[in-house]
Amino acid sequence: EIVLTQSPATLSLSPGERATLSCRASQSVFNYLAWYQQRPGQAPRLLIYDVSTRAPGIPARFSGSGSGTDFTLTISTLEAEDFAIYFCQQRSRWPRSFGQGTRLDIK
Amino acid sequence: EVRLLESGGGLGQPGGSLRLSCTTSGFTFSNYAMNWVRQTPGKGLEWVAGLGLSPDDTYYTDSVKGRFTISRDNSKNTLYLQIDSLTAEDSALYYCAKDREPYSPPNYFDSWGQGILVSVSS
Repeated sequence: EIVLTQSPATLSLSPGERATLSCRASQSVFNYLAWYQQRPGQAPRLLIYDVSTRAPGIPARFSGSGSGTDFTLTISTLEAEDFAIYFCQQRSRWPRSFGQGTRLDIK
Repeated sequence: EVRLLESGGGLGQPGGSLRLSCTTSGFTFSNYAMNWVRQTPGKGLEWVAGLGLSPDDTYYTDSVKGRFTISRDNSKNTLYLQIDSLTAEDSALYYCAKDREPYSPPNYFDSWGQGILVSVSS
């Protein structure tokens, strides 16, 4: 099983700042990586797939990068609704797997 | 609008069984792979099962193989998860999730239900 390790576990920032979240895979997932956002009490929402393609309706302030084993989700200018938990997920191998999440808190 | 609604959760006994259902609307169900993903405070999100377009196109995470069975009824636009030999580790919020792209195996999940709680206890 491919293990995805996200860092940091918690990130405390203020609205207007830039957020950089990391996801590292235990083996190469090529470009088969997605990011999800989960707000309290809600189901996860697909933000980005195949490393850098935004899902429909996702604002341009969300961007993804990386390849192989190291990936980054960047939120260029944080807005109030962005404070949530973010998960990465790979579709390179079975079973599909998620990272443990990064909690983005308001500082 | 895509809608997914899980049902059938609740309290189950160790060694017992539960059957989860996910009724869907707003898309051509038969064209999409479907999945079950569970979430616990301790283990986070865990993909547990996926089903492609044909009944035998099934995929499971190792910890549930032989105990979970995913299936679909395209005439009812409904996905199922049969859970047998329940253990405490199966206690979780179970989400039904639609795959992003039609005519593909389970890959990414672009629509989710609100989840259904399964608790296993004697």
